[in-house]
Amino acid sequence: GESVGLHLPTLSVQEGDNSIINCAYSNSASDYFIWYKQESGKGPQFIIDIRSNMDKRQGQRVTVLLNKTVKHLSLQIAATQPGDSAVYFCAERGKAAGNKLTFGGGTRVLVKP
Amino acid sequence: GAVVSQHPSWVICKSGTSVKIECRSLDFQATTMFWYRQFPKQSLMLMATSNEGSKATYEQGVEKDKFLINHASLTLSTLTVTSAHPEDSSFYICRAGDPDEQFFGPGTRLTVL
Repeated sequence: GESVGLHLPTLSVQEGDNSIINCAYSNSASDYFIWYKQESGKGPQFIIDIRSNMDKRQGQRVTVLLNKTVKHLSLQIAATQPGDSAVYFCAERGKAAGNKLTFGGGTRVLVKP
Repeated sequence: GAVVSQHPSWVICKSGTSVKIECRSLDFQATTMFWYRQFPKQSLMLMATSNEGSKATYEQGVEKDKFLINHASLTLSTLTVTSAHPEDSSFYICRAGDPDEQFFGPGTRLTVL
């Protein structure tokens, strides 16, 4: 079936450095992509989204890049802070899927002081 | 912003008993709610889509008679784990359907002894 996957299960980052989290997806019909942050014992928290008619979107300290040619999604976190330590999931939604989301495997980001 | 709540936040039960988990959208109406299960260090897996006023739609491999879903109003969906067993121990998370996929509940940690 369709899947969304991540390249790196764990990313260690020095505080203040930039973080890049990658995600590959296989459903070429996906038209909406979202990054979530999940802290231990909590539900996922929306970070940023991007639609398939865009290739870049910026938020506060975060940027999402979408490369539809190679079906690749990335999340960049600028000046990573200790509070950014969490598991990050990408999710995609296909045009025919209604509001159903498919989640990637997750990447744990560890920020070192 | 919109908020989704879950109750209880954690529950411990004996094997063979049933447990009900509530998901509420606090300041918006959700005709659709989604129930996910998350095992430790894994991603979210969609269990079922809860539709207000109609039957839930279950994902492949999810037993509808074991995981009973009721969506009686536009702000409340319940998931009942019937005859719970230790393998049902997991983190259950709901999401209220909104156009931008933003709002997850805080999750319910179920431990079956």
